[in-house]
Amino acid sequence: NAGVMQNPRHLVRRRGQEARLRCSPMKGHSHVYWYRQLPEEGLKFMVYLQKENIIDESGMPKERFSAEFPKEGPSILRIQQVVRGDSAAYFCASSPLVPGTGSNTEAFFGQGTRLTVV
Amino acid sequence: GQSLEQPSEVTAVEGAIVQINCTYQTSGFYGLSWYQQHDGGAPTFLSYNALDGLEETGRFSSFLSRSDSYGYLLLQELQMKDSASYFCAVSTGANNLFFGTGTRLTVIP
Repeated sequence: NAGVMQNPRHLVRRRGQEARLRCSPMKGHSHVYWYRQLPEEGLKFMVYLQKENIIDESGMPKERFSAEFPKEGPSILRIQQVVRGDSAAYFCASSPLVPGTGSNTEAFFGQGTRLTVV
Repeated sequence: GQSLEQPSEVTAVEGAIVQINCTYQTSGFYGLSWYQQHDGGAPTFLSYNALDGLEETGRFSSFLSRSDSYGYLLLQELQMKDSASYFCAVSTGANNLFFGTGTRLTVIP
């Protein structure tokens, strides 16, 4: 059972371009979370999705950012018209249940995508 | 809203014991989790407490006091490889897992 797979591992974009970050959750996991991490900082929640549904996007900027988790295929975090402030590591995590709600509900993280906007 | 507070940095000697505290304020609470993250790596799960008391897993233990909205991670017999960032995280049970800002642990010889 492969872990959470994120790609690309590193992504360089010029200001104004679009960035697409992909996340394939672990097999059998229907809960996907995206977090952003700036250097030397914590993990900031962005969005929580289940298949074909956005459950909570309260941590995601209202403009330029969107996320989806289609019925088939990976979850996608899309950032339009990137700016230098979007440079960060973006982590995806998956869980079979809402994480932290009981034993064996840990979140499994991917290796992250490091976005650099130049 | 949710807030979690942890010390930003801790330094300890190899072989010693270190405690990393976490206090939280949330609008709901299911449990407190701890994650470890090495530089450049992915966060990995360490422990989970839903009830008051101490949970022990090898050299790592985690404690929770729900009445005090407080928990800690205890690392014993510190090894150099334990140098990493440690995050507490709270699940409100609603929809997501909120993380603290992390404690950077440096283990020195």
